[in-house]
Amino acid sequence: MVMTQSPATLSVSPGERATLSCGASHSMSNYLAWYQQKPGQAPRLLIYGASTRATGIPVRFSGSGSGTEFTLTISSLQSEDFAVYYCLQYNNWPGTFGQGTKVEIK
Amino acid sequence: QVTLRESGPALVKPTQTLTLTCTFSGFSLSTDGMCVGWIRQPPGKAPEWLARIDWEDDKYYTTSVKTRVTISKDTSKNQVVLTMTNMDPLDTATYFCARIDTTKGYFVDYWGQGTLVTVSS
Repeated sequence: MVMTQSPATLSVSPGERATLSCGASHSMSNYLAWYQQKPGQAPRLLIYGASTRATGIPVRFSGSGSGTEFTLTISSLQSEDFAVYYCLQYNNWPGTFGQGTKVEIK
Repeated sequence: QVTLRESGPALVKPTQTLTLTCTFSGFSLSTDGMCVGWIRQPPGKAPEWLARIDWEDDKYYTTSVKTRVTISKDTSKNQVVLTMTNMDPLDTATYFCARIDTTKGYFVDYWGQGTLVTVSS
């Protein structure tokens, strides 16, 4: 299963909304997770099951979608949210990651 | 508190065998539903699964590395070991140890901090 993320780079001002997309090459169940990665760090789980926030994740992060199109929305970007975001499908083994979306300061 | 930590060489030569050890705490690989695996991330690229081992000692490998990779566990030591043979400069990457709790789903919920492995002569 190929996962395609768009855009590759998203320039957003602090306080603005960010919408990240992840498309699957085949229709899948909601076995979709989102991760945030900052330079030199491991990815951090944000969302699983397409829409369930992981423990401790702020409510400004939300996930949605089904079938082949999934979305991560950050409602009001904070300074600590500027990072690279990856989607992961775990519908089958091996899970596959998208190529990432870099959210940068506008 | 769940933690995972990778250890192993930072530099290996082409054709050599890489051995990485993941030492974890806060859970047991003998508990139903628990898995530990290895994911690598080449510089500037997306992560990629390599292998995982589960509580019943079932092992899963990614097709692209299946002939070169072996994963094993020592439940008493809370360790998982990855060996990768015939290393190539294209295998240069940060290697992460990762946990899956299948009672929640087959996604990674905890990651180690990663260890950078460079393949160069």
